[in-house]
Amino acid sequence: GESVGLHLPTLSVQEGDNSIINCAYSNSASDYFIWYKQESGKGPQFIIDIRSNMDKRQGQRVTVLLNKTVKHLSLQIAATQPGDSAVYFCAENTNTGNQFYFGTGTSLTVIP
Amino acid sequence: KAGVTQTPRYLIKTRGQQVTLSCSPISGHRSVSWYQQTPGQGLQFLFEYFSETQRNKGNFPGRFSGRQFSNSRSEMNVSTLELGDSALYLCASSFLGQGMDTQYFGPGTRLTVL
Repeated sequence: GESVGLHLPTLSVQEGDNSIINCAYSNSASDYFIWYKQESGKGPQFIIDIRSNMDKRQGQRVTVLLNKTVKHLSLQIAATQPGDSAVYFCAENTNTGNQFYFGTGTSLTVIP
Repeated sequence: KAGVTQTPRYLIKTRGQQVTLSCSPISGHRSVSWYQQTPGQGLQFLFEYFSETQRNKGNFPGRFSGRQFSNSRSEMNVSTLELGDSALYLCASSFLGQGMDTQYFGPGTRLTVL
């Protein structure tokens, strides 16, 4: 089966610092990846996605990096704010697939 | 556009009962996927519906079933509830549900089985 894992289950950062959340995936055929943010009591919220023909993609305060050689994905959050405190999931899919596989999540806590 | 909506938001049932959860996708989206989320298990895929047909299914027992209507709204049903079915059930919709098609989630239905 598919395996999408996170290196760290929890991460604490000071407000204003940058955060890096990592994700390893096992299916070399995966070519579409999404990062989701889930706040307590809410459903996962789309943050940013990246296709396998890209190494990097930037959004507002967020950057996703994809290293296909080592099957690694990371989410960088710049100037982390208390509102960024949540659980972050990575998800992968193949170009022809219609099922996403999710990691177990990393809990990010921002310390004021 | 309105987001994905799910009803009810909270449910409390007892073992042996059955439950039906509802999901309304984003307007224009034809693919609806269901996930179960429990502490420590992450999101586990239940099934996906497209054009009223179940197109993909995860590794859950037959007690878990679903359907999709012509307007793309979807329901999932769990029969003979067990304590272990307590979870957050999430619905996600996408335009076509193929590969590089972003999924958007609803707020979930919190099911508690006593």
